[in-house]
Amino acid sequence: DTAVSQTPKYLVTQMGNDKSIKCEQNLGHDTMYWYKQDSKKFLKIMFSYNNKELIINETVPNRFSPKSPDKAHLNLHINSLELGDSAVYFCASSHPLRQGKTQYFGPGTRLLVL
Amino acid sequence: AQKVTQAQTEISVVEKEDVTLDCVYETRDTTYYLFWYKQPPSGELVFLIRRNSFDEQNEISGRYSWNFQKSTSSFNFTITASQVVDSAVYFCALSEREDSSYKLIFGSGTRLLVRP
Repeated sequence: DTAVSQTPKYLVTQMGNDKSIKCEQNLGHDTMYWYKQDSKKFLKIMFSYNNKELIINETVPNRFSPKSPDKAHLNLHINSLELGDSAVYFCASSHPLRQGKTQYFGPGTRLLVL
Repeated sequence: AQKVTQAQTEISVVEKEDVTLDCVYETRDTTYYLFWYKQPPSGELVFLIRRNSFDEQNEISGRYSWNFQKSTSSFNFTITASQVVDSAVYFCALSEREDSSYKLIFGSGTRLLVRP
């Protein structure tokens, strides 16, 4: 009965490759997010989707493209991976009105670009 | 601009000591939410508490307590009788509304090490 799940948990790849991270939530939430945690543990939002519509797009390179096929899924595709993309990527979800907009996070995907 | 400051980078205590993690925030909003999350060594982010800006009552949950003071823009977190399992990085966060969504502005985290 996992609330927010992400796959894969670990991703090791070469520079220049394209990769995707999948996120699914079974909480019935309407809003989903991607956050990036860098090597210094600093967490910053990348994207937010509400009902499959892109709402927040922080200054993220165009190589990052989120896709939301439905309210329960938000995937992150990264083109032409660079060394600096190495980080932990967290997916989160929240209800837009209830629970004080509390965001519940997935377990994270640890991406290492070699 | 919205900002969250956790001035304590790392705290080390001996088991059973009480410890307080500080959080100071800046916001232009009149209505906002504050949060604490725990990130244990396993890496996941665990929601601990949410506080609405209208509710300044302090909250206690077992060994955890939170002190919200709007006058000083602080939302501090105290662990009483700390245990080794409390060792983790703790993040304070502030929600910021953007269009129909909210984003969390995180502090830089405080690493708590509880030694046996």
